[in-house]
This record gives sequence, C-alpha cells and structure tokens, in this order.
Amino acid sequence: DTAVSQTPKYLVTQMGNDKSIKCEQNLGHDTMYWYKQDSKKFLKIMFSYNNKELIINETVPNRFSPKSPDKAHLNLHINSLELGDSAVYFCASSQEGTANTEAFFGQGTRLTVV
Amino acid sequence: GENVEQHPSTLSVQEGDSAVIKCTYSDSASNYFPWYKQELGKRPQLIIDIRSNVGEKKDQRIAVTLNKTAKHFSLHITETQPEDSAVYFCAAGDYKLSFGAGTTVTVRA
Repeated sequence: DTAVSQTPKYLVTQMGNDKSIKCEQNLGHDTMYWYKQDSKKFLKIMFSYNNKELIINETVPNRFSPKSPDKAHLNLHINSLELGDSAVYFCASSQEGTANTEAFFGQGTRLTVV
Repeated sequence: GENVEQHPSTLSVQEGDSAVIKCTYSDSASNYFPWYKQELGKRPQLIIDIRSNVGEKKDQRIAVTLNKTAKHFSLHITETQPEDSAVYFCAAGDYKLSFGAGTTVTVRA
C-alpha cells in the first residue's frame, strides 16, 4: 500500500487558473508537509501541519493555501497560477516534526504552467 | 533560520571508489541530521540519519559523521555501485528541517 499518495502526478495548466493537489497518508502520522522542488532540484518547505493545525508557514505567496480536513489529508490549493509556480510539489508526513523522525514523501506532482 | 550548505554539487566516481559529500549548517540548535537519496523522477527517501548526541553512524556501505563544534556533517559511501547514482540531500534542523541544495552523484561503470 502506498504510504503517502498525492494526486495528480502531472498537472499542466494555463496561467491564471486555479488548481488543487491532494495528499493522503495512511501511516497514522501526526505531521504533514508540502515541499516545492524547483528545476535546480532545491527542496524547500512551504507548509507544515500537525494534527490539522498549521505550524510552519514559510514565505510563500498567499495564492498558495493549504487545507487539512483531518490529520491524514493535506491538500494544496493554488490560485492565479504563474509561470514561476512550475515545479515538482512533494507532500510528506512524519510521526512528529521532521526534526526528530523520518519524513516519508509522496511521489510528487509535476506542475507545469504554460 | 537554519542555512545548510552542501558540497560538491556534482560528483562523479568510478565504480568501487568512495564518495564523500559534506554539509555545513548555521544553527547550533539543530539536533537532527538526515540524508535523503532521490533517484531520477522519484521521491526523496531517507537513507541514514544521525542525532546530535552521536558522532558517527554506519549502515553497511553508508556512514555519516557529525562534528557539532564545527557544525558540519558528512556522508560517506564506500564501494560505490551504479545504483548509488542519484541526487543526495543533507538536511538539518530542530523543529523543522532545512535541506542542502543536493549533490548529483554519478557512478561510472
């Protein structure tokens, strides 16, 4: 069974559109994250939720809005997409904060804005 | 916040040789130092981690060393094999992780 699954795997959309990426984990973890990996492979944390509560919110445009309906799900909604939003977005989860335990990553969503 | 620097950015080694990747960090409060491996088109996966109360840890061909005084830690891969070719990320943190920029390792057969 897939531990952390995110959908869709690929997303191609036009500038200005609004899109969502969904993430679910079946590991029973308390903490979930969204990371952005740009074309240079740099992995940067965007958000972190612990038991549905936002605990980390990095400097990310407010066009990005995470939503956690329960601790097993963390979705990412992006409004008014821009060319610079093109990247691979990874969802991840861990039992506690990533400073203590292994983070398990989803397979990634490759977002291409045209 | 934490700033993690990783070197080199690319590393090419002959099969059977060793590979060493070095990272430095800035925040002395960081106490967890994992290493992730990301194969082409796949997700990052943890290969080894070390906590601040340990100076060295080994798992088969992979070892990590940590020098908290100097704020640097290193990944050592011995007897490299073609399947070791990937991007390797170091990370450091206390309540959240900051990742290094990654090292693309290529093992030449």
